[in-house]
Amino acid sequence: ILNVEQSPQSLHVQEGDSTNFTCSFPSSNFYALHWYRWETAKSPEALFVMTLNGDEKKKGRISATLNTKEGYSYLYIKGSQPEDSATYLCAFVSGGSYIPTFGRGTSLIVHP
Amino acid sequence: EADIYQTPRYLVIGTGKKITLECSQTMGHDKMYWYQQDPGMELHLIHYSYGVNSTEKGDLSSESTVSRIRTEHFPLTLESARPSHTSQYLCASSESQGYGYTFGSGTRLTVV
Repeated sequence: ILNVEQSPQSLHVQEGDSTNFTCSFPSSNFYALHWYRWETAKSPEALFVMTLNGDEKKKGRISATLNTKEGYSYLYIKGSQPEDSATYLCAFVSGGSYIPTFGRGTSLIVHP
Repeated sequence: EADIYQTPRYLVIGTGKKITLECSQTMGHDKMYWYQQDPGMELHLIHYSYGVNSTEKGDLSSESTVSRIRTEHFPLTLESARPSHTSQYLCASSESQGYGYTFGSGTRLTVV
């Protein structure tokens, strides 16, 4: 069973704060790393699919980095807004199964 | 606009009943998946399919069964529901290995 860890488990920030979360995954047999945003009462939405060591992806105020050699990815949110409140999931895809293994997520609450 | 549809959204059912959770997608994706999630826990893969007449069990043992007679349809069936089946069930599809998933809105099942 692959181990995908996310930290912190939950996070409360004020509007305007910048924040970041971590996803740790096995450093061997890497194929891809996914990030999803899951708002309450909605479907998880794909944010990034990262495949190369050193990848940096950006979507508006949200960006992500990837280090496959040491097995971690960071998700950054610049200037958090209340609408950023959601659970952020990462998923590790190994080169064996090609099926994502999910972490438990980081729950972000942005207070106005 | 959802491209993958799950019904029902919520279901409360008595022990011993047979239930089918529906999942349909309009994107023509060959790969479809069922995940189960308990509160605060990871999404666990219970079934997947890489095409018509292809189904496999995931890493989490489940008493449910699935079928894939048409590309767009991937229903999940519980022959005899039990309280231990109470959970959220998420359906997803993907274009290809390593691509991000498109998720449905989920079915929250409660067995009483």
